[in-house]
Amino acid sequence: EVQLVESGGDLVQPGGSLRLSCVASGFTFSNYWMTWVRQAPGKGLEWVANIKQDGSEKYYVNSVKGRFTISRDNAKNSLYMQMNSLRGEDMGVYYCVRGGSLGGYFAWWGQGTLVTVSS
Amino acid sequence: DIQMTQSPSSLSASVGDRVTITCRASQSISRNLNWYQQKPGKAPNLLIYTASSLQSGVPSRFSGSGSGTDFTLTISSLQPDDFATYYCQQSYSAPPFTFGPGTKVDIK
Repeated sequence: EVQLVESGGDLVQPGGSLRLSCVASGFTFSNYWMTWVRQAPGKGLEWVANIKQDGSEKYYVNSVKGRFTISRDNAKNSLYMQMNSLRGEDMGVYYCVRGGSLGGYFAWWGQGTLVTVSS
Repeated sequence: DIQMTQSPSSLSASVGDRVTITCRASQSISRNLNWYQQKPGKAPNLLIYTASSLQSGVPSRFSGSGSGTDFTLTISSLQPDDFATYYCQQSYSAPPFTFGPGTKVDIK
């Protein structure tokens, strides 16, 4: 069974940093694009970033470019998001999602990890 | 960037009703349109992919149609488990993979 388990969400002050992790199991991690999607409290879904199978291509939503870095370790079946210079608008639940190629879809989601940005 | 809109933003319906939700893209996205259901406090669940393909395990009362810029999600007979928020999402052009703003379906 496919499983995606996120961790790393926490309360952080504006301007602070956080690293999210996602451990995957139940499928060959290195065969798939991976994606982070977030959801602000009471709001809709927002695609944040994705990364190709070998890490050679990475894409970001404009609002996080230069502040967030997506990465992966295929040997550890793990996906990461380094989040720097955090802002209030970055607050929300971050989901690790399998997929992210053009023409594809997001069939498997983690349970999410909550990032709170507040002083 | 491709913009996605949904209508209505919310609706009230009764068990057994036929429910239709519309999603529109700001430019043609062929059939690269997916639908998700999300319940409070839970991760989204894929219902329909590439406009009309039913995801494994999803009840057949859910169906999708459309191509180009206009798409529809239909629930043929609303069940108590279907009260949730529904999102469309395009995968034709990225970044970003845009989601629609959502349609909340609640009990009449």
